[in-house]
Amino acid sequence: AQSVTQLGSHVSVSEGALVLLRCNYSSSVPPYLFWYVQYPNQGLQLLLKYTSAATLVKGINGFEAEFKKSETSFHLTKPSAHMSDAAEYFCAVSRSQGNLIFGKGTKLSVKP
Amino acid sequence: EADIYQTPRYLVIGTGKKITLECSQTMGHDKMYWYQQDPGMELHLIHYSYGVNSTEKGDLSSESTVSRIRTEHFPLTLESARPSHTSQYLCASSSTSEETDTQYFGPGTRLTVL
Repeated sequence: AQSVTQLGSHVSVSEGALVLLRCNYSSSVPPYLFWYVQYPNQGLQLLLKYTSAATLVKGINGFEAEFKKSETSFHLTKPSAHMSDAAEYFCAVSRSQGNLIFGKGTKLSVKP
Repeated sequence: EADIYQTPRYLVIGTGKKITLECSQTMGHDKMYWYQQDPGMELHLIHYSYGVNSTEKGDLSSESTVSRIRTEHFPLTLESARPSHTSQYLCASSSTSEETDTQYFGPGTRLTVL
């Protein structure tokens, strides 16, 4: 069965610092993996997705994620944090029938 | 512009009232979903639909019901609201013709039952 684990429910970085949000998955089949961002009182916005075409995936707002099969990881990074990046981030893995399993989310705070 | 809409955005009602949360999409998607999300928590799938006249229950047991009479419309109904139904409800849609079946979300409805 598929599952997703996001390490760290809350991550705090300084503006301009590297952002690293961790996601590990388990899947019995080659997965599709997703990162979504949620701003307060809004729905989820797709940041990027892994489709097996390339292990390094670039998304919107300067974010990228690298698929590492050996580590069953799909960590999200951004070289330089901006105040506007403060939000909740969710990692998700697709199931065989197409539904998604979401992690518990990581709240990112950015300090000036 | 293709999008997914939810109304109302915020709803405060008393216990025992019947409510319907609306979700419509102009994405041309065949599959639609409802999630429940408590503040600061993960999303739980409560209903989904593959297309017209198709509805399935999700992972989280819910007293709500859904219908899919039109492809673009997927309303969620609570016959008798209770304080335990207080939560945020997110609607999403996807296309099964797309390889990854990527889900796109509406802005959500925040429901408070007094």
